[in-house]
Amino acid sequence: LAKTTQPISMDSYEGQEVNITCSHNNIATNDYITWYQQFPSQGPRFIIQGYKTKVTNEVASLFIPADRKSSTLSLPRVSLSDTAVYYCLVGDSNSGGYQKVTFGTGTKLQVIP
Amino acid sequence: NAGVMQNPRHLVRRRGQEARLRCSPMKGHSHVYWYRQLPEEGLKFMVYLQKENIIDESGMPKERFSAEFPKEGPSILRIQQVVRGDSAAYFCASSPPSGAGELFFGEGSRLTVL
Repeated sequence: LAKTTQPISMDSYEGQEVNITCSHNNIATNDYITWYQQFPSQGPRFIIQGYKTKVTNEVASLFIPADRKSSTLSLPRVSLSDTAVYYCLVGDSNSGGYQKVTFGTGTKLQVIP
Repeated sequence: NAGVMQNPRHLVRRRGQEARLRCSPMKGHSHVYWYRQLPEEGLKFMVYLQKENIIDESGMPKERFSAEFPKEGPSILRIQQVVRGDSAAYFCASSPPSGAGELFFGEGSRLTVL
């Protein structure tokens, strides 16, 4: 199972770009990298998923280097409402599910006015 | 299109009682996952079910915990003879029949054991 390591917490001011890096040194060939966001007292919500290079959607960008041993979630111009816990997951969700994927403790992002 | 529905949102039980948590997946989804989250911790996988089948229960405690996903009706996570350590948020997630792609989570059920 690919284990992930990410910072426990980060602080950022409103309007700044935030980059959260996740290490996954033993990522397998079929594994995808997925990021979720969780607000207090709510269930996690999917943000973005990628396999290699760069993926962008309306919420975030995901940068994955060629060796895929790490990935960086980039949140442009954060606002107070982006204060949440961000989880990096690595797993082969295409071959039967998330049962072997562990969320870990995530990165607690605090956006400061 | 309703999302994943969990109920009850909050449940209080005394030690030794039973807790039943229900989860209705999104329409068209046939894969259900249950996770447990202790305060200030991440989500821990408990069990993965498809209709009428338990696919993987490697994250479930061996005793007192059980889960089902019947042909009709919601998935149920059952905790018998609850203890204080069972107090946590229990999240259910569902995914499409292929099992691929993102998980859709419910709002969670918060169990408090007195």
